[in-house]
Amino acid sequence: GAGVSQSPSNKVTEKGKDVELRCDPISGHTALYWYRQSLGQGLEFLIYFQGNSAPDKSGLPSDRFSAERTGGSVSTLTIQRTQQEDSAVYLCASSLEAGGARIQYFGAGTRLSVL
Amino acid sequence: TQLLEQSPQFLSIQEGENLTVYCNSSSVFSSLQWYRQEPGEGPVLLVTVVTGGEVKKLKRLTFQFGDARKDSSLHITAAQPGDTGLYLCAGSSRGSSNTGKLIFGQGTTLQVKP
Repeated sequence: GAGVSQSPSNKVTEKGKDVELRCDPISGHTALYWYRQSLGQGLEFLIYFQGNSAPDKSGLPSDRFSAERTGGSVSTLTIQRTQQEDSAVYLCASSLEAGGARIQYFGAGTRLSVL
Repeated sequence: TQLLEQSPQFLSIQEGENLTVYCNSSSVFSSLQWYRQEPGEGPVLLVTVVTGGEVKKLKRLTFQFGDARKDSSLHITAAQPGDTGLYLCAGSSRGSSNTGKLIFGQGTTLQVKP
C-alpha cells in the first residue's frame, strides 16, 4: 500500500499481559515516529527513529515501553505488563527525512484496550 | 516543558457560521503545523507555517503564525458539515528541528450541523 500501515487496528488485552504493535512505514521514508493519543485528545510523542542513528526515546512513559525498528523499515512497539492507563490509540508516522517542517504521514492507529 | 494550549476544546456550530481556533504557547517554535483528524483515522496535515506573521489560505481556511512564533490561529469561513473533525496544532521547537519531533495541542473537536 501507499500509506503507513498499522496492525492490529484494535487490540483488547488483559491487565498484566504484553502486547506488540506493528508499523509499516511508507517505503523509502527514513524517519519513523510513535505517538499515543487518548480519546479526543492531542498526540503524545513516544519515540523516534532516523536511519541508523540511536532512537530518541525521550517520550516513553516507563520502562515497560520499548520499540525497535528492523532493517530501517518495519517498527514494533512493545508494552510489557500492560496497565489500564495504557489504553489509548497508538499512532505511527513516517517522513521522508527528519526535520521540523517535514510532512509526517500517519497511519490509522492501533486502538489498545486494557481490561 | 513545551506546551501548546488549544482553545476551544469543543465547538458546535451551524453550517455557514465562521469560527476561529487558537493555539498558544509561552515557547517559540521553529514551525507550526495544523492537522485534521477524522474518527478512526490518523491526522492529516493541512498546513505548515514557518515565518513569524505568516498567513496561509487553503480555500475557506486561513492559518496565521504569530509574529513571535509562539501562537497560531485557524479561521474557517462559512463552515460546512464536511469540516467536522478534530483539529490539532503541532509545533516543532528549535531543539527538535532536526528530528521533526512534534509537540501537539490537546485538539479542538468541531461539529458543524447542517
